[in-house]
Amino acid sequence: DVKVTQSSRYLVKRTGEKVFLECVQDMDHENMFWYRQDPGLGLRLIYFSYDVKMKEKGDIPEGYSVSREKKERFSLILESASTNQTSMYLCASSLWGTGANVLTFGAGSRLTVL
Amino acid sequence: TQLLEQSPQFLSIQEGENLTVYCNSSSVFSSLQWYRQEPGEGPVLLVTVVTGGEVKKLKRLTFQFGDARKDSSLHITAAQPGDTGLYLCAPNRPSGSARQLTFGSGTQLTVLP
Repeated sequence: DVKVTQSSRYLVKRTGEKVFLECVQDMDHENMFWYRQDPGLGLRLIYFSYDVKMKEKGDIPEGYSVSREKKERFSLILESASTNQTSMYLCASSLWGTGANVLTFGAGSRLTVL
Repeated sequence: TQLLEQSPQFLSIQEGENLTVYCNSSSVFSSLQWYRQEPGEGPVLLVTVVTGGEVKKLKRLTFQFGDARKDSSLHITAAQPGDTGLYLCAPNRPSGSARQLTFGSGTQLTVLP
C-alpha cells in the first residue's frame, strides 16, 4: 500500500523556535507538496517540489522554507515560528505527468505555536 | 482571481437520508477531483471527473461534472455514519504545472446514527 508518512502528528512549539516538519513517501513520486489547512480556508499550497533540489513557491510561502535533498523526503521549515502558523500541515505527493495530478496525502501534522 | 465555492459549508443529517453537496466556480477546469477527509487523517481521493456532463458512481455516491466544466455535485444516497467527513473538491487548472490543483474549503458532513 502506497504511503506518505509525516513523522510528527502533533507538535507544540514556542514563538521564535525553529520547526522542522518531515515527510517521506515510498511511491517514487516526483512531485511533493506542503499544504496548510485552516477552518473555512481549505487547503492552501505553501511550497511544492517537482524534483530533487527543485522547489517552487505556492500561494502562501511567506515564513516557510523547504528542503528536498532526496526524492522520497520533503521537509518544511519554519525558521522562526509565530502564533499565526498554528495549523494543520499536510504533505502530499503525486506522479509527474499524470494529467489529473492525483495527490496522496499524509495524515497531517498539527502544529501549535504558543 | 478564480472563485471556488463549496456548499453547504456544514451539513448534519440522520442516517438513511439523501444529500447533495456542490462545488461551483466561475472558471472552466480540465478535470475535477473529489476527496474525503476523515477526522485525524489526510484527504483521500474518491473520484476524478474529466468530461463535461460526466456522471460517475461509487457505491452510494454519485458524482457529476457540469456540462460547462465549471461545477460539480456529489449526491449521497442513504447516508451512513461512515460517510461522515470533510468533502473537498479540487479542480485542475489547465496550467500544465505540477501545482495544478486548487482546493475548495469543503463541506463538513456529519451523519448521525
